[in-house]
Amino acid sequence: NAGVTQTPKFRILKIGQSMTLQCTQDMNHNYMYWYRQDPGMGLKLIYYSVGAGITDKGEVPNGYNVSRSTTEDFPLRLELAAPSQTSVYFCASSYSRGKTGNTIYFGEGSWLTVV
Amino acid sequence: DAKTTQPNSMESNEEEPVHLPCNHSTISGTDYIHWYRQLPSQGPEYVIHGLTSNVNNRMASLAIAEDRKSSTLILHRATLRDAAVYYCILPSSGSARQLTFGSGTQLTVLP
Repeated sequence: NAGVTQTPKFRILKIGQSMTLQCTQDMNHNYMYWYRQDPGMGLKLIYYSVGAGITDKGEVPNGYNVSRSTTEDFPLRLELAAPSQTSVYFCASSYSRGKTGNTIYFGEGSWLTVV
Repeated sequence: DAKTTQPNSMESNEEEPVHLPCNHSTISGTDYIHWYRQLPSQGPEYVIHGLTSNVNNRMASLAIAEDRKSSTLILHRATLRDAAVYYCILPSSGSARQLTFGSGTQLTVLP
């Protein structure tokens, strides 16, 4: 009963380093999302995907890249890490429910600090 | 996309009902109203959603005004575990019907 699994849970990066946050889901959901949440703030959408091979930008895509080669996996790549990318990152997935909007299932989060 | 407005914070006593309000005056006729909550240091979790009529599930009830410009999430007996940030959300018109999270309402439950 894994749901949405993110790794790593905690990471410290130095400025200019790169890394990939991994996300996998076992619910066969076609939609996947990456959000970031800064302290005391709501979640902001970075990128999303409506299916394998299809990705699109959210509100705050700068400094990030994604790929979706399989239904299960949706990794988020940080290139040239900056202190402004210090945040908690949440991966999420859902299945299409048409006009009702999708019930979204979230992972437990990845805490990233850039120093 | 339609926006929602919620109070920044609310307090409740343990084992008493809690009514969390949300205004969405620009809601369209086909928008469902979704509620999520986020416990400390966790990802958000789905609570409930509805379109026009009141909805109930094991976690909460959702009361939707007749003109749909506001709604209220009702927790029937608040417990300490219900202390969280509660988000009232309308899905976007984007291809993934993604959810845009505002700052929500921080619910404090007093023992």
